[in-house]
Amino acid sequence: QSALTQPASVSGSPGQSITISCTGTSSDVGGYNYVSWYQQHPGKAPKLMIYEVSNRPSGVSTRFSGSKSGNTASLIISGLQAVDEADYYCASYSSRTTVLFGGGTKLTVL
Amino acid sequence: QVQLVQSGAEVKEPGASVKVSCKASGYTFSAYGLDWVRQAPGQGLEWLGWISAYNFNTKYAEKLQGRVTMTTDTSTNTAYLDLRSLRSDDTAVYYCARSGASGTYSLYDYWGQGTLVTVSS
Repeated sequence: QSALTQPASVSGSPGQSITISCTGTSSDVGGYNYVSWYQQHPGKAPKLMIYEVSNRPSGVSTRFSGSKSGNTASLIISGLQAVDEADYYCASYSSRTTVLFGGGTKLTVL
Repeated sequence: QVQLVQSGAEVKEPGASVKVSCKASGYTFSAYGLDWVRQAPGQGLEWLGWISAYNFNTKYAEKLQGRVTMTTDTSTNTAYLDLRSLRSDDTAVYYCARSGASGTYSLYDYWGQGTLVTVSS
């Protein structure tokens, strides 16, 4: 099965808000509330930012939030900061392949 | 504190096998599972499979069936990824990540530092 669909890149200025989408099917994103989001800086391991669609782990900034509508999940970053510049990946439980990742989105802070 | 420490980089010839380890500390090893995820150079994340350190159940990505084995050693709190018949497109950084004991649902709260496996003749 193909990866979940994410935009290749998004950008925003400091202080702005951006949204990264993650589109799947009813067999994964749309069918379960098991969507997670990961932040990855170059040369580093991914870091969990959001789990189960909209839950934030302890220690993750409240500027990060998540939501889902139908087969599309979204990661929203408000009050954009230079330190947010990274790659972002969504992941979802899938009834067909167990776990699916998105192709990744490169966030550029202008 | 929870830590997952992986073994060092490997260089293998096509057709060979590689075994990557992931040593856990700072939590009750048998109360969780471990997933393996890889990232080819300049590419995205790819799920490889899951093993429960509680009951040793496994699930593998379909594309790796027959070439991959995941095991755990509860006496040393270490998980292993064994990948056989290596091909050039197996070149990637391999990560272990903590997940659930009864199943995996894309939630990985701790990750290893990654192990670069290079397949080249």
